[in-house]
Amino acid sequence: EIVMTQSPASLSVSPGERATLSCRASQSISSNLAWYQQKPGQAPRLLIYGASTRATGIPARFGGSGSGTEFTLTISSLQSEDFAVYYCQQYDNWPPWTFGQGTKVEIK
Amino acid sequence: EVQLVESGGGLVQPGGSLRLSCAASGFAFNFYEMAWVRQAPGKGLEWVSYIGPSGTTIYYADSVKGRFTIARDNAKNSLYLQMNTLRAEDTAVYYCARASSVVSPSNYNYYYMDVWGKGTTVTVSS
Repeated sequence: EIVMTQSPASLSVSPGERATLSCRASQSISSNLAWYQQKPGQAPRLLIYGASTRATGIPARFGGSGSGTEFTLTISSLQSEDFAVYYCQQYDNWPPWTFGQGTKVEIK
Repeated sequence: EVQLVESGGGLVQPGGSLRLSCAASGFAFNFYEMAWVRQAPGKGLEWVSYIGPSGTTIYYADSVKGRFTIARDNAKNSLYLQMNTLRAEDTAVYYCARASSVVSPSNYNYYYMDVWGKGTTVTVSS
C-alpha cells in the first residue's frame, strides 16, 4: 500500500498571499495524483488530477506540480473561499486508493 | 447536472446492518466505475470499495472486507453498499463517488474520483 504524507498539517495564510502545500508518496506514482478541497460540512471537490491538470471549473490560481514521489499544490493568491482542508490522493497503484492526511489552510 | 445523492445512513447498534444507496443522474451511469469513500468524525478520507461498470470487478479495503458488499443497478442508475457486522470504527460520513479514468500508453486505466455526493452519516453506537 502506498502511503501519502502531506505537509504541513496546517498553514496560516493571509488573503491574497501564496500558499504552498506538499504531498509525498512512499514510492513512485508517476503523475497519478489528485488534489481535493473540502470545506466544513461539504463533500470533497476535485481540484487537480494528473498532478497538474485542473478539473473543470477550477480557477487558474490553483496549480499542481511534481511527479514520482514529490508533489505540490500552489494557490497563487488566496481568496476567502479557499480556506479549507486539502487532500492529495494517489491512483497509480490500486487498490487501495490512498489519501494523505490533509492540510488545513487557515486565515492568518 | 451531474449529481450523486446518498441515502440510508442512520444510527445502528454494533453488530447491526445498514444499506446505503446512491442515486446518480446527469451522466451515463452504466459506463462509469464507482466507489464509496468514508470520513470518520474529524478524520481524513478513506477509500472503502470500488465497482466496475458491469458490476463484475469489485474491490474492498481490508478494513471492511467480508463485512461490506458493494453492488449497482444500472437500470436504476443506483449504487449500493450493504454494511453488515458494523463496528464503532465504521462510524463516518459515507460518500459515493464517480471514478473517471486516465488511460496510459500501455492501455492501463488509472481512476480518480471526479464527482462526489454530499454524503450520508452512519453512526454505530449502543
